[in-house]
Amino acid sequence: DAKTTQPPSMDCAEGRAANLPCNHSTISGNEYVYWYRQIHSQGPQYIIHGLKNNETNEMASLIITEDRKSSTLILPHATLRDTAVYYCIVRVTEYNFNKFYFGSGTKLNVKP
Amino acid sequence: DGGITQSPKYLFRKEGQNVTLSCEQNLNHDAMYWYRQDPGQGLRLIYYSQIVNDFQKGDIAEGYSVSREKKESFPLTVTSAQKNPTAFYLCASSIRDGGTGLREQYFGPGTRLTVT
Repeated sequence: DAKTTQPPSMDCAEGRAANLPCNHSTISGNEYVYWYRQIHSQGPQYIIHGLKNNETNEMASLIITEDRKSSTLILPHATLRDTAVYYCIVRVTEYNFNKFYFGSGTKLNVKP
Repeated sequence: DGGITQSPKYLFRKEGQNVTLSCEQNLNHDAMYWYRQDPGQGLRLIYYSQIVNDFQKGDIAEGYSVSREKKESFPLTVTSAQKNPTAFYLCASSIRDGGTGLREQYFGPGTRLTVT
């Protein structure tokens, strides 16, 4: 029950923007969208999260559509170190507790 | 440095043996989680704990057990009842809060368990 759908893989040229899409058509009004990434054989690393508004931090930008059924993670200037699996996750709060549903993610290949 | 420690990084066991994976955090987080990851797959939730002496089954709890006797520690035992135990196991922690705001999970480096 991943709640999100992502393409299995994407390529991006080094120095260009990487735009990673995610569909979450069944998202509820109080469910947040989180993005994590996982470099091979390491623990996932938090990138960014949002509810309705677009968000930006030092790592990335998150664009959420007005109907909240999809979002896009943008890495503005991809580097080789950004090669990783990127997970779009819906955070569900049940009984005052946060649960994260991880799907299979998108393998981003940044190429020189 | 605050963080989550999992040890060992690689663990090998014979089939039929129970094995316990360690997870320690010094972030003062109330909530802790265990996930399992198979090759090319996402993470699946095994167990989670909101506070000391309390834990709940996740989506794939069969064949696993946990304890939460201390806030800092959340060990996972993979029992002989787990039919396919070879996997990458990840521990995470977070602030226990159902409200708004930044409540991301922090992950440990993982333990790769191989059972033969």
